[in-house]
Amino acid sequence: KQEVTQIPAALSVPEGENLVLNCSFTDSAIYNLQWFRQDPGKGLTSLLLIQSSQREQTSGRLNASLDKSSGRSTLYIAASQPGDSATYLCAVDAYAGNMLTFGGGTRLMVKP
Amino acid sequence: NAGVTQTPKFQVLKTGQSMTLQCAQDMNHEYMSWYRQDPGMGLRLIHYSVGAGITDQGEVPNGYNVSRSTTEDFPLRLLSAAPSQTSVYFCASSYSPGTSGITDTQYFGPGTRLTVL
Repeated sequence: KQEVTQIPAALSVPEGENLVLNCSFTDSAIYNLQWFRQDPGKGLTSLLLIQSSQREQTSGRLNASLDKSSGRSTLYIAASQPGDSATYLCAVDAYAGNMLTFGGGTRLMVKP
Repeated sequence: NAGVTQTPKFQVLKTGQSMTLQCAQDMNHEYMSWYRQDPGMGLRLIHYSVGAGITDQGEVPNGYNVSRSTTEDFPLRLLSAAPSQTSVYFCASSYSPGTSGITDTQYFGPGTRLTVL
């Protein structure tokens, strides 16, 4: 059974800092991996999707990498802003059926 | 496009009552799914559908029924509500994976917060 773990569970940083969120998964046979953002009381917003054949994806200040062989992905946020404060979720699709297995999330707070 | 919509936003039930959580999408997505989010447990898949008339169970299907008569709608039915079903429920949709030129990104609705007393 696929298990997804995110470390750290919570992170507090000053504004402007570059930061890395980590995601690990136990079964390397994945179809894709997605990073989502969730604001309190809201739904999930997709940030980046990495196909199994890709190594990284970039969108603005966000960069996500994927190392299937080691079962790891990282989300890099450059020049963090208070508006980046949210919970970040990593999810793995193992069956190309969009049946996602989620990690527990990292709750990020960026202080002004 | 409204995207993925869910109703109601909040609901309180008594143990044993039944209800239907509504989910609709206007993006012509083939794939739709239901997740529940609980503190300490993360999001877990309840049921999913790969097209109209086709549904299957996810990780935690007990106590829930689904059907998919149209591409747009994917309702989730609680047959006899139990306190253990107190949770936030999210509906998601996407195109069929691997569709040429189309992202596999999943789109989530705003959620329904359900309390069972």
